[in-house]
Amino acid sequence: QVQLQESGPGLVKPSETLSLTCTVSGGSISSNYWSWIRQPPGKGLEWIGYMSYSATSNYNPSLKSRVTISLHTSENQFSLKLTSVTAADTAVYYCTRGRPILLDSWGQGTLVTVSS
Amino acid sequence: QSALTQPPSASGSPGQSVTISCTGTSSDVGAYSYVSWYQQHPGKAPKLMIYEVNKRPSGVPDRFSGSKSGNTASLTVSGLQAMDEADYYCTSYAGSNNYVFGTGTKVTVL
Repeated sequence: QVQLQESGPGLVKPSETLSLTCTVSGGSISSNYWSWIRQPPGKGLEWIGYMSYSATSNYNPSLKSRVTISLHTSENQFSLKLTSVTAADTAVYYCTRGRPILLDSWGQGTLVTVSS
Repeated sequence: QSALTQPPSASGSPGQSVTISCTGTSSDVGAYSYVSWYQQHPGKAPKLMIYEVNKRPSGVPDRFSGSKSGNTASLTVSGLQAMDEADYYCTSYAGSNNYVFGTGTKVTVL
């Protein structure tokens, strides 16, 4: 079965860029869709965006101007970049397989705190 | 787009049933048969329980069922068990490649 693992800095300064990588094992990212979901502490889930195997991307309109999701097929990884972060971007970030209506595999999540 | 509305909490005794509502609009829940439900235990990643309104992924007990009427979708957990105590989130396709999550419901097994 496919497994996903997030990696990246746990602390990012305000106005800087948040960068996370998701390593996929047990399956190829050259198929399916790959999404990022986040959850602020004590709050609900928020869809960030997804990238398809054919390199079609789609982002939450509220974050679209700051988000880039990329596939790195040779490393079987995909990544998230979120620019100009503020404290409101503090959250647990999950990488997942699928689109929000069918996310069938999740990473364990990684907490990213935005603070100086 | 606004988050789908769920009750903050719901509860039931072991063996009973609990139903969670997820209210959207005619542009999301009411427009598409693409409503999903996720279960999240504390400190854990969410788990897909229902997709396309009423379909269960392999391995999800048939105690979990979904339905939809108009702009409101529902998740019913029958034969409530202690392990069902968790947060539950709905999500819906909202058109134009957009998606929206619900506000979340904490289910307590009394």
